[in-house]
Amino acid sequence: GAVVSQHPSWVICKSGTSVKIECRSLDFQATTMFWYRQFPKQSLMLMATSNEGSKATYEQGVEKDKFLINHASLTLSTLTVTSAHPEDSSFYICSAITGTSGVNEQFFGPGTRLTVL
Amino acid sequence: GENVEQHPSTLSVQEGDSAVIKCTYSDSASNYFPWYKQELGKRPQLIIDIRSNVGEKKDQRIAVTLNKTAKHFSLHITETQPEDSAVYFCAASVNQGGKLIFGQGTELSVKP
Repeated sequence: GAVVSQHPSWVICKSGTSVKIECRSLDFQATTMFWYRQFPKQSLMLMATSNEGSKATYEQGVEKDKFLINHASLTLSTLTVTSAHPEDSSFYICSAITGTSGVNEQFFGPGTRLTVL
Repeated sequence: GENVEQHPSTLSVQEGDSAVIKCTYSDSASNYFPWYKQELGKRPQLIIDIRSNVGEKKDQRIAVTLNKTAKHFSLHITETQPEDSAVYFCAASVNQGGKLIFGQGTELSVKP
């Protein structure tokens, strides 16, 4: 149980285009999902917290107009990188938590490798 | 906000030796401390976690200790094996919201 999937697993796009990444909880309902970005040989940096039916909460320094997050259902959150540039090339990972207060374990998706040419 | 510092950044040990990775956190409200193993290009895998009401937890060759007063927690791997080679991340979380703040990572290399 507690499986999280991401799609696509990798994507290559031209500079200036937008890319949408999907994060799905396959066998549970995720009231909260998180989006992380990981550059090569670096740590996971939290970008935003996504709650179903409400606006995402972005971490300091993350441009909310560039990284659009939508959490339309209890099993799906999407991250859209708008007007992507080469510096946006990174490994994007989502995660989801299965419960509410007192349950903190996060289940991670397999990640999406974005390369912007 | 929370800040997590992790040391060392790289660690090389001989097979069979022990490995210790240390983390400190800044927010005294943090009460959940997981450790993840990440292989190249893969998702982080939870290997052990500890909550603030416990000082130590062990699972076979892996153990974690927590010192709340010092805001310090450590991962101990005994009898290391080559397949333990990976990048290890510590993290901290405050109960409400559940967001994790990660340490910088430790690249562990176990030499046969």
